Amino acid sequence: AQSVAQPEDQVNVAEGNPLTVKCTYSVSGNPYLFWYVQYPNRGLQFLLKYITGDNLVKGSYGFEAEFNKSQTSFHLKKPSALVSDSALYFCAVRGARSGGYNKLIFGAGTRLAVHP
Amino acid sequence: EAQVTQNPRYLITVTGKKLTVTCSQNMNHEYMSWYRQDPGLGLRQIYYSMNVEVTDKGDVPEGYKVSRKEKRNFPLILESPSPNQTSLYFCASSSSGTASYGYTFGSGTRLTVV
Repeated sequence: AQSVAQPEDQVNVAEGNPLTVKCTYSVSGNPYLFWYVQYPNRGLQFLLKYITGDNLVKGSYGFEAEFNKSQTSFHLKKPSALVSDSALYFCAVRGARSGGYNKLIFGAGTRLAVHP
Repeated sequence: EAQVTQNPRYLITVTGKKLTVTCSQNMNHEYMSWYRQDPGLGLRQIYYSMNVEVTDKGDVPEGYKVSRKEKRNFPLILESPSPNQTSLYFCASSSSGTASYGYTFGSGTRLTVV
């Protein structure tokens, strides 16, 4: 079955500290993985994606994510958190070939709270 | 500016009163899709369209209809809304013809059915 798990409903971090938002996935074939961010009363904004190549992917706003095939994980990271990073973060994986690659499957979301 | 535009942003309606949420994109994308977002469930796909006149069900299509008569527009129709359709709805489009390279999302429509 295809799925994405974000095991933490909320992550709290102090400003200036490193942050990690966890994501694991289950999908057949090579995974195409994505992170999106949602600010209050806004749509989802693309942060970064992994399709192939280097396991460390760099994205917008200083975020990066590390693809780990053996652990089927794609954790989002940032070396130094900002209060303005506080938002809802979604991990997603492309659906399987049997479904025609016709959807992204999303996790339930993780709320990141960065405290001054 | 390249964007996906949804209207309205907020809508309160009564059970059974037909409504349409519009979605338009100006990027000439072939692929478009509708999702609903519910707390604890993330985003779930309602319908998608690979091109004009080509639509198919997603994971939660019950109670919804779509049409794709023009490439830029992909309206979501609720023929007889019910309270369990109260949700935050997002329209999305993709440049790749499938979902393979990710989506550009609209700003969302918050629907309340009473």
